[in-house]
Amino acid sequence: AQSVTQLGSHVSVSEGALVLLRCNYSSSVPPYLFWYVQYPNQGLQLLLKYTSAATLVKGINGFEAEFKKSETSFHLTKPSAHMSDAAEYFCAVSFAPGTYKYIFGTGTRLKVLA
Amino acid sequence: DGGITQSPKYLFRKEGQNVTLSCEQNLNHDAMYWYRQDPGQGLRLIYYSQIVNDFQKGDIAEGYSVSREKKESFPLTVTSAQKNPTAFYLCASRRETSGPNEQFFGPGTRLTVL
Repeated sequence: AQSVTQLGSHVSVSEGALVLLRCNYSSSVPPYLFWYVQYPNQGLQLLLKYTSAATLVKGINGFEAEFKKSETSFHLTKPSAHMSDAAEYFCAVSFAPGTYKYIFGTGTRLKVLA
Repeated sequence: DGGITQSPKYLFRKEGQNVTLSCEQNLNHDAMYWYRQDPGQGLRLIYYSQIVNDFQKGDIAEGYSVSREKKESFPLTVTSAQKNPTAFYLCASRRETSGPNEQFFGPGTRLTVL
């Protein structure tokens, strides 16, 4: 079955430290992968997406993610956390061109400590 | 500015009442979606629509209904049959072309049953 897993429902980092949010997927076909960010009581905003053009994807706000087929992973990183990065982050997957359905992970809430 | 609007932002309902949540987009997107978000559960798909006058049930459609009479609009009705409707509801849309198109999200409606 196709699925997506985010390890760690809560992650805390110090301001200026590396941010690493984990996402693994399960699929028998090539996936399309997305990371979204959600601030309290708001909708989701796209951070970045994997389109198969490059395995290292750069997004907004200094975030990037690397697609690793051998590990079925698409982890999100940022070299230096900022207080404004505190939010909930969702990994999402769709599995075929033109498919209308997406599968979302359960989310990781990032806390940034001063 | 193009985008997705949802109204109202907050909605209170008495048990046994039907309520309708509005979703409008001016992005000229063909596909539209409704998700329900509960803490720790990520986003769960309620209904989606690929074109006008057509829609499909998602994973948790029981107790909900939708219509798609116009391309721009995809209202969601939460009926009295929905046993636990208190949640955050998100509407999204997507452009239909070949490739990994992301979903664009509205700001959400928080529904509380009194």
